[in-house]
Amino acid sequence: DQQVKQNSPSLSVQEGRISILNCDYTNSMFDYFLWYKKYPAEGPTFLISISSIKDKNEDGRFTVFLNKSAKHLSLHIVPSQPGDSAVYFCAASGRANNLFFGTGTRLTVIP
Amino acid sequence: EAGVVQSPRYKIIEKKQPVAFWCNPISGHNTLYWYLQNLGQGPELLIRYENEEAVDDSQLPKDRFSAERLKGVDSTLKIQPAELGDSAVYLCASSLNQDTQYFGPGTRLTVL
Repeated sequence: DQQVKQNSPSLSVQEGRISILNCDYTNSMFDYFLWYKKYPAEGPTFLISISSIKDKNEDGRFTVFLNKSAKHLSLHIVPSQPGDSAVYFCAASGRANNLFFGTGTRLTVIP
Repeated sequence: EAGVVQSPRYKIIEKKQPVAFWCNPISGHNTLYWYLQNLGQGPELLIRYENEEAVDDSQLPKDRFSAERLKGVDSTLKIQPAELGDSAVYLCASSLNQDTQYFGPGTRLTVL
């Protein structure tokens, strides 16, 4: 059973606009959430994370929002750039730090 | 600083043959993970080491898969014998204690 879900397999956005990637989870024991970015033929690269004690974390153009009551998090990229085109994975962990990944969303930023 | 190193990057074998993957984690990282990523899916944990101890191998198919991290640094994941369904990308990650995990480039296995 998939504990972390990314229901949008793909997203296309114009350069300069906002990209919003969504993620839902089912396990209320998860207390740490991460976003990874993956280019073809490379491993996932850590992008940004958020602890369950926060509802927002920002790092440059990337902001992650956490809504614990809805078991939902989102990644906002503003402004989007062509180099942001990649597959984005949402991941969650509990006390053991074992990561549970979603199936990924392929973001295409159109110049 | 060097990242997680994995080799080989690609491997093609016939079914029923053995195969081994090697991982060298980031220097100083005591926790090492092996993940399996099937096409169109996210990575799934196979085994987690803290130093040389396998602390979680509940998802490792022990009939054909084995792993070792003898000196608490680099690690080897082995499949014997390989089956067609083992075709996937095998990812290694490392972290300092239970902090952020950093991934290697992976080994893409094709079983014919």
